[in-house]
Amino acid sequence: KNEVEQSPQNLTAQEGEFITINCSYSVGISALHWLQQHPGGGIVSLFMLSSGKKKHGRLIATINIQEKHSSLHITASHPRDSAVYICAVRWGGATNKLIFGTGTLLAVQP
Amino acid sequence: GAVVSQHPSRVICKSGTSVKIECRSLDFQATTMFWYRQFPKQSLMLMATSNEGSKATYEQGVEKDKFLINHASLTLSTLTVTSAHPEDSSFYICSAQTTSASLSTDTQYFGPGTRLTVL
Repeated sequence: KNEVEQSPQNLTAQEGEFITINCSYSVGISALHWLQQHPGGGIVSLFMLSSGKKKHGRLIATINIQEKHSSLHITASHPRDSAVYICAVRWGGATNKLIFGTGTLLAVQP
Repeated sequence: GAVVSQHPSRVICKSGTSVKIECRSLDFQATTMFWYRQFPKQSLMLMATSNEGSKATYEQGVEKDKFLINHASLTLSTLTVTSAHPEDSSFYICSAQTTSASLSTDTQYFGPGTRLTVL
């Protein structure tokens, strides 16, 4: 079992739909990252969370430390949101290494 | 701010040759750089962590003699794949972390990646 699990693995949505991607982890963490990887491969860091909720434009990320769960929401989805969304956690120890989920492939159709 | 570049973006080489990939932090000093590889439809796998001026720390199962990492300055780290074989074909991504107070010190800033194909 992976230490970081994402669901769903694949998601197809119609433009305008509200999208939720989930991430569960089994290790103690100091922070959780949501990353976006476009087809060309480049990765963009969307959020870093250690508690609560963050919002940036149409993106919202939440984390529940007790339940070891985080969600990434996209409101009013658009085809340009099509990408792989990756959850990554940083261990709670002195290390700054990240453990990555396998990603969620999102396709938003016009 | 916080731009990380990689060069080359794509490289094709013959089996047995060595390939060097550069990772640069363009507008900040990277005290720590990470090297990842990613196989198709799989997640990123950490290969090694490098701190400027010291030897890289390799993850278990990663051959340090095959994947040579040098972090000679605060803006440049290089990964050299020595005696490349077809199974080394992969997408290699670097990321950089900083202690600069003007940026998030907890965030890894990712490069665009280098696609290596070994024939």
